[in-house]
Order: sequence, then structure tokens, then C-alpha cells
Amino acid sequence: SQTIHQWPATLVQPVGSPLSLECTVEGTSNPNLYWYRQAAGRGLQLLFYSVGIGQISSEVPQNLSASRPQDRQFILSSKKLLLSDSGFYLCAWSVPGQGTRGYGYTFGSGTRLTVV
Amino acid sequence: GQQLNQSPQSMFIQEGEDVSMNCTSSSIFNTWLWYKQDPGEGPVLLIALYKAGELTSNGRLTAQFGITRKDSFLNISASIPSDVGIYFCAGQLGYNTDKLIFGTGTRLQVFP
Repeated sequence: SQTIHQWPATLVQPVGSPLSLECTVEGTSNPNLYWYRQAAGRGLQLLFYSVGIGQISSEVPQNLSASRPQDRQFILSSKKLLLSDSGFYLCAWSVPGQGTRGYGYTFGSGTRLTVV
Repeated sequence: GQQLNQSPQSMFIQEGEDVSMNCTSSSIFNTWLWYKQDPGEGPVLLIALYKAGELTSNGRLTAQFGITRKDSFLNISASIPSDVGIYFCAGQLGYNTDKLIFGTGTRLQVFP
């Protein structure tokens, strides 16, 4: 069966420090991968999505970047964190081409990032 | 980024009451999904809808894909304390994309 792992679960980082959040998927090949951010009490904002190794699409201009060095690995990074980067970060995957059948995304358990 | 309009923003109800929430958009969607997010967790898929007018149930949950394809609603009957969480609608715009647009969420609190 497919599983998605996301770590760390919580993170407290000072302003200006770098960031690296990792997400890995097991049990599937060539998944579509997504990074979402959820600010406190708010909805889900798509940050990045990837349809393959090295292929990253950015949805909103921001202080973050994403990389996909391996088929089932998706990394969210920042060189210098801002206070506004605080939030709950969610990784998700979907089966390419299954979108039309509406199976949607499977989400990881999230990383709560607090920038202080 | 684009988001769907979801209402109400929050609900405070007593155990046993029925709940109704909806999602609207100015765009036509091909698929509607409803997710629930427990505190501190990622959202989990509840119901998926594929055709305009479709009505689908999952236990005490019932969701419908609006005829105009621009809206969807979710009903929860006889609410229980474990229904607490944030409910998100999500829509898929086109057949050539797997990208989902999420609603702004409805926060549900259930009091015993």
C-alpha cells in the first residue's frame, strides 16, 4: 500500500535561518507531488507541485523553493526564513491521470513550522 | 492562489444536530471532493463526486455535486464529538490537470 512520510512534525526556527522539510512516498512510482501551506485558521494554499524528477512548478511567489531529487522525494527549502513563513506545511501525492476519477490527494501528517 | 468560497466559516453545534456546509465557485469543476482535517493532521478524503447532480453518501455524510457544476454541499447527520475538525471542499478544474483547488474550510465544533 502507498504511504507518505513527512518530517519533522514540528520545527521552531529563528528568523534568517535555513529550512529543509522532506517528504517521501512509498508504494507508488512517478507520483505527482505537492507542497501546501496552511496558515493558522486558514485554508490550504498550493505552493509547489511536481510531475517528475527535477520538474517543479511554483504557484505563488515566495521565500521558499522546492526540489525533487528522486522520484518519490520532495523537499521544501528556504535559505533565510521570515516570520511570515510560519504555518502548517503539508505534502501530498496523487496518481497521475487519476485526477479525472477524483481520487484526489493523499496528504502527509504535516510539519508545524514556527519562525521566531 | 485561487480558492473556493466555502461557508459557513465555522459552526458550533450540539451533539445530535445535523450540519450543512457548501462550496461555491465562479468556475466549472469536473470533480468535487470533501476532506476532513483533524487537529494537527493532514486532511483525509471523505467523499468524491464525479458527475453533475451526483449524490453520494459515506455513513452519516452526504455530499452532492451541483447541477451547474459550480457548487457542492456536504451534510453530516446526527453529529458526534469526533466530527470536530476542519472540512474542506476541493475541486478539479480540468481533465488535463491533477491540480485541486481547495476551499477556505469550515471549522466544526460539536458540544456534548
